[in-house]
Amino acid sequence: GDSVTQMEGPVTLSEEAFLTINCTYTATGYPSLFWYVQYPGEGLQLLLKATKADDKGSNKGFEATYRKETTSFHLEKGSVQVSDSAVYFCALSASSGAGSYQLTFGKGTKLSVIP
Amino acid sequence: KAGVTQTPRYLIKTRGQQVTLSCSPISGHRSVSWYQQTPGQGLQFLFEYFSETQRNKGNFPGRFSGRQFSNSRSEMNVSTLELGDSALYLCASSLGHRDRSASPLHFGNGTRLTVT
Repeated sequence: GDSVTQMEGPVTLSEEAFLTINCTYTATGYPSLFWYVQYPGEGLQLLLKATKADDKGSNKGFEATYRKETTSFHLEKGSVQVSDSAVYFCALSASSGAGSYQLTFGKGTKLSVIP
Repeated sequence: KAGVTQTPRYLIKTRGQQVTLSCSPISGHRSVSWYQQTPGQGLQFLFEYFSETQRNKGNFPGRFSGRQFSNSRSEMNVSTLELGDSALYLCASSLGHRDRSASPLHFGNGTRLTVT
């Protein structure tokens, strides 16, 4: 079945450091790929997405490129801020009959940014 | 535009009881999905409803059920609660289009269920 593997956390960085969170996937067909972020006490918010190979999703300084050859979708940000502290989830969606789709999530990576 | 609203935010129940959680989607969204989040298993898909019909179901026992009303609001029910059902239950809504890129999921803040 489909699966997503992302780097284990927690990750602690100083403000203005470079961030990379690795994500690889296994899926049949051509899934869409997503990064979601979860702040304490809240639900998940869509951070960015990519729907086909070589697409680059970007939002709020975060970027990720859909790499079909390496089945990867690594999240990057050039300069993190304290406000970026949260849990980040990589996810894929693959259609499953009747037009439905479900998200398969990675385990999540907790990021803490210190001043 | 109001987001996805889940009620209640917190619930404490005893083993063997049943519970009903509610979700109001974003206005105009016809698809509602439910996910269970636990520290051990992470985020797991429960089911999806579209226009009052269950369109997809995850690998959960029959104790977990749901329904969707004509106004797209959804409820999920868990009967005969077990300690392992303690989790954050997240509801997500979307337009429900087959084109997934045009129909991302929008999540609510969840209902935290504790079973004692």
